[in-house]
Amino acid sequence: EPEVTQTPSHQVTQMGQEVILRCVPISNHLYFYWYRQILGQKVEFLVSFYNNEISEKSEIFDDQFSVERPDGSNFTLKIRSTKLEDSAMYFCASSPHQETQYFGPGTRLLVL
Amino acid sequence: QQQVKQSPQSLIVQKGGIPIINCAYENTAFDYFPWYQQFPGKGPALLIAIRPDVSEKKEGRFTISFNKSAKQFSLHIMDSQPGDSATYFCAASITFSGAGSYQLTFGKGTKLSVIP
Repeated sequence: EPEVTQTPSHQVTQMGQEVILRCVPISNHLYFYWYRQILGQKVEFLVSFYNNEISEKSEIFDDQFSVERPDGSNFTLKIRSTKLEDSAMYFCASSPHQETQYFGPGTRLLVL
Repeated sequence: QQQVKQSPQSLIVQKGGIPIINCAYENTAFDYFPWYQQFPGKGPALLIAIRPDVSEKKEGRFTISFNKSAKQFSLHIMDSQPGDSATYFCAASITFSGAGSYQLTFGKGTKLSVIP
């Protein structure tokens, strides 16, 4: 069964550094999402991407964040200058239509 | 108004019991209500979902009950097993907008422990 994959599984970085989180959505899916989950808290929406552009973003997704789909398979989330409060689990999700979203295993980001 | 409120925060049941997790929402524009199961260190996995045009949906041991007038929905797990021990999240989204974004709004999660 096709799966969403994410790399790396863990990332440790210093405050102020740039990080790029990578995702390979399920082939032929059309909608792509990034969510984050701070330890012990609920999953929060960051951004959605459709038709090669951002379709919606939350207030969390400020100018420090950007997303790209550089080729036909990868979907990346970049944080330009990480802050301590960016430490969280970041999940990529993809969907073939408006409903079912399939989540990847996540990247645990720790900002020191 | 975008919130989804979930309760209880944690739940312990004996094997074979029927845990019930409840969620409530305010935004009547929500029209898709999935439940996700998450094991430690893993991503959320879709368990079952419902639309507001039905009051109940069953898949295996999992049942969603939906009360549109009360704006509430709940997950029941029949004959619960230790392997069901996980965190369960309810969620909601608006799927008719055509805006190319069907973001999920999640509840805070319920940590379920099923004791052998």
